[in-house]
Amino acid sequence: EAGVAQSPRYKIIEKRQSVAFWCNPISGHATLYWYQQILGQGPKLLIQFQNNGVVDDSQLPKDRFSAERLKGVDSTLKIQPAKLEDSAVYLCASSSVTGSSYNEQFFGPGTRLTVL
Amino acid sequence: AQKVTQAQTEISVVEKEDVTLDCVYETRDTTYYLFWYKQPPSGELVFLIRRNSFDEQNEISGRYSWNFQKSTSSFNFTITASQVVDSAVYFCALSEVDYGQNFVFGPGTRLSVLP
Repeated sequence: EAGVAQSPRYKIIEKRQSVAFWCNPISGHATLYWYQQILGQGPKLLIQFQNNGVVDDSQLPKDRFSAERLKGVDSTLKIQPAKLEDSAVYLCASSSVTGSSYNEQFFGPGTRLTVL
Repeated sequence: AQKVTQAQTEISVVEKEDVTLDCVYETRDTTYYLFWYKQPPSGELVFLIRRNSFDEQNEISGRYSWNFQKSTSSFNFTITASQVVDSAVYFCALSEVDYGQNFVFGPGTRLSVLP
């Protein structure tokens, strides 16, 4: 079974530029999560989708971050414009049971973003 | 608000020693789930265990064991006879059920197992 795919693996941009990350969850997984992991910290949930609907985006900085999952499968996370403090690893995860964050999540390898 | 504390920032042990990683949580829910994840140097988080709030039985899986005590709000993780491959950052996480579906990770404990 293929795991969660993410691209790109690394991205370096200058502040005020835009960037987008892509995630393809495990086939059949209805729930998809985006996390931000700053160096030395635990992952912080940014947004949770169930199919193509948003379940929780309470910690997403909506003035600059946006995410979509149009067909209920893959997802993109965008930052526009980027700030220095956005430097982090962005992790995507998926789980097979709908609507329940307490089920096992499978994580992708992450995208390491550096904002200069 | 829910919270997960992992007081040990870094631990170093010599191979074959036993090591316990501490996790203390706070929640107002009566129904919740606790997790442990491993993040090796490659960066990909790996699921280790899930425990619901109504199941306080300890669990053993090979060299890994978990001790869940609701009375002290703790969910500690012990590795017996540690190996170099156990070197990683270990995260404890909490998911509440009664008041929403928030999923919160602790800050992690970096374990270094020296040969």
